[in-house]
Amino acid sequence: QVQLVQSGTEVKRPGASVKISCKTSGYTFTGSLMHWVRQAPGQGLEWMGKLNPSHDGGTSIRFAQKFQGRLTLTSDTSTNTVHMEMRSLTSDDTALYYCAKDKHGAWSIDYWGQGTLVTVSS
Amino acid sequence: QSALTQPASVSASPGQSIAISCTGTSSDVGGYNHVSWYQQHPDKVPRLIIYEVNNRPSGVSDRFSGTKSGNTASLIITGLEADDEADYYCSSFVSSDTWVFGGGTKVTVL
Repeated sequence: QVQLVQSGTEVKRPGASVKISCKTSGYTFTGSLMHWVRQAPGQGLEWMGKLNPSHDGGTSIRFAQKFQGRLTLTSDTSTNTVHMEMRSLTSDDTALYYCAKDKHGAWSIDYWGQGTLVTVSS
Repeated sequence: QSALTQPASVSASPGQSIAISCTGTSSDVGGYNHVSWYQQHPDKVPRLIIYEVNNRPSGVSDRFSGTKSGNTASLIITGLEADDEADYYCSSFVSSDTWVFGGGTKVTVL
C-alpha cells in the first residue's frame, strides 16, 4: 500500500532553516508528482510547491509565488524520498507541513503524509 | 496567486442537501477541468473526494458530486449525514503550472 512517512516535529528559532523528509513506498516513486502543502493552526490548506521526482530539479519544480527564493524541493531516487527545505523562518511559518502524492493523470492528491509540525518561536 | 473563494461555513439538517461553491478566475477554475475537492475531519489528514470537477475516487460515496460553471465550481452533498461534518477544500490547477486551494468551508450537520 502507498505510504508517505515524514520526519518528526521541529522547533526552530526565527531566521533559521528547516528541512523535512518524506519517505515513500508502495508505488513507482518516479511516476507521480509530489506536492508540499501546509496548514497553520486553525487555518486552511496552502499549496507550497511541487516537483517531479524523476527529474533532477530545474524545470520540473514549481513554487507558489510567496515561497519563491525561500523554498527548496529535492528528491532522492535511491531512497524514494523527497525533501523540503525552507529558509528564513518566521512565526508565520508555524504550521503542519504535508508531503502529498499526485494522483497521476487526475490533477489531484490521492495520498498524504502524516504531517510534520514545525514551530517557529524565539 | 490568491486563494479560491469558498463560503466560510454551511449548515443543514441530516438528510438535506448542500452545495459549497469555489470561485476562482479564468486562470484557474475557469480555464481547466482540474478542480478537486478534499474532506478534512478535525486532526485528520485531508481525503480526496472529487477530482477533475466531477469524478469520485473508489470508495467515495455517490452522495458527493461536483459541477463547474464558468469560474465557479461546486461540491454537492446529498442526504447529509453526521459524518459529513468536516472542513471541505477545493483546489485547482493554475495556468502558471502551480496549484491553489480554497480557503475552506466548515460544514455543520444540525
